[in-house]
Amino acid sequence: DVKVTQSSRYLVKRTGEKVFLECVQDMDHENMFWYRQDPGLGLRLIYFSYDVKMKEKGDIPEGYSVSREKKERFSLILESASTNQTSMYLCASSLNWGPSGTEAFFGQGTRLTVV
Amino acid sequence: KQEVTQIPAALSVPEGENLVLNCSFTDSAIYNLQWFRQDPGKGLTSLLLIQSSQREQTSGRLNASLDKSSGRSTLYIAASQPGDSATYLCAVCPDRGSTLGRLYFGRGTQLTVWP
Repeated sequence: DVKVTQSSRYLVKRTGEKVFLECVQDMDHENMFWYRQDPGLGLRLIYFSYDVKMKEKGDIPEGYSVSREKKERFSLILESASTNQTSMYLCASSLNWGPSGTEAFFGQGTRLTVV
Repeated sequence: KQEVTQIPAALSVPEGENLVLNCSFTDSAIYNLQWFRQDPGKGLTSLLLIQSSQREQTSGRLNASLDKSSGRSTLYIAASQPGDSATYLCAVCPDRGSTLGRLYFGRGTQLTVWP
């Protein structure tokens, strides 16, 4: 089974802190994604990556950056956390080819609270 | 931009009923469509993936159909059980050439099955 693991289930951070959310997948997937999920707004794409050291902005990249130094790991960075970044963060990965290419698999989510 | 709509937003039914959840999308140029389940406070679990060339997929009591030209998909749940209670999300992957696997999500249908 594909395993996508996020480093924390729950995080509480202070306004202004630099926050790192880590995601690791064990299936050699090329694509990795970070979404945030908010009530009434659904899932929105923050950033994605289709290869090591490659990144693309999603729909709401402001206030975030990402890092992909190794194929299996994709990190989301909140440069200076703000209360409006309180949310559920979801990491996903997928292949870029094959009979079921682009089927997405998600991690368990990180509930981030910024106080 | 692709927009995905799910109807109904919420559904409450007695155990044993057969259910239909609906998903519609505005741009028929899709690569595939995926149905997910999300339990409260958790990540997304992939249920079914339908490639754009397919009409339906089945897994156990679940059957998903796709009518790409009309921009619709349905998820059929047979003989519902209380354990099926969750939010069901539909997501479309735009045509491969422009996307690298990113998904556009609906807001979900919150299903409650009572004994």
